[in-house]
Amino acid sequence: QSVLTQPPSASGTPGQRVTISCSGSSSNIGSNIVNWYQQLPRTAPKLLIYSNNQRPSGVPDRFSGSKSGTSASLAISGLQSDDEADYYCAAWDDRLNAWLFGGGTKLTVL
Amino acid sequence: EVQLVESGGGLVQPGGSLRLSCAASGFILSNYPMNWVRQAPGKGLEWISYITPGSDKIYYADSVKGRFTISRDNAKSSLYLQMNSLRVEDTAVYYCAKDDTSGWYSDYWGQGTLVAVSS
Repeated sequence: QSVLTQPPSASGTPGQRVTISCSGSSSNIGSNIVNWYQQLPRTAPKLLIYSNNQRPSGVPDRFSGSKSGTSASLAISGLQSDDEADYYCAAWDDRLNAWLFGGGTKLTVL
Repeated sequence: EVQLVESGGGLVQPGGSLRLSCAASGFILSNYPMNWVRQAPGKGLEWISYITPGSDKIYYADSVKGRFTISRDNAKSSLYLQMNSLRVEDTAVYYCAKDDTSGWYSDYWGQGTLVAVSS
């Protein structure tokens, strides 16, 4: 059972905007930055958003991140079929001295 | 180009041991913190362990504490994970991941190596 809570699934049609939530607590999201990783089918995870809302070089600006209190969100606008993947949030937990991942959200493009 | 190549995975019986290696290239390993992250078949990501560039700070997930040991040899550009007392639930693909210098996010991941624990 993950300490960071994500919806197990999300979906949208091409061109739509979808958001994926990540809920934590004061010892993790409430105190530290949140990162988001994208895992395409049968591949290794890839950094998508770091430090709550920063995009690494090469990540399209269709992807954006935000954080408020003990929750964070990933938004994907202009949805494309290539965006079908699993998305994971991650945050350091000060109480556990451990990195925590959310359970992952499987995004389906209808 | 940053490359991380894991090796050492395989089939092992419960209670057995295995040592994973991660060969790093395209960057100076001694400048960066590193992690091991695993993914059980059909499941999500689980962080396992973190080590600072000088090995002065090391952290483990509770699920592996006392059984797994992370280490690094910066001169050989290599990261290691010694896994002892393996359990069926340790079956997973194991990824090594490079952090940025701050240690606050993993910017590069290897392709993973599969560890299967079964009798």
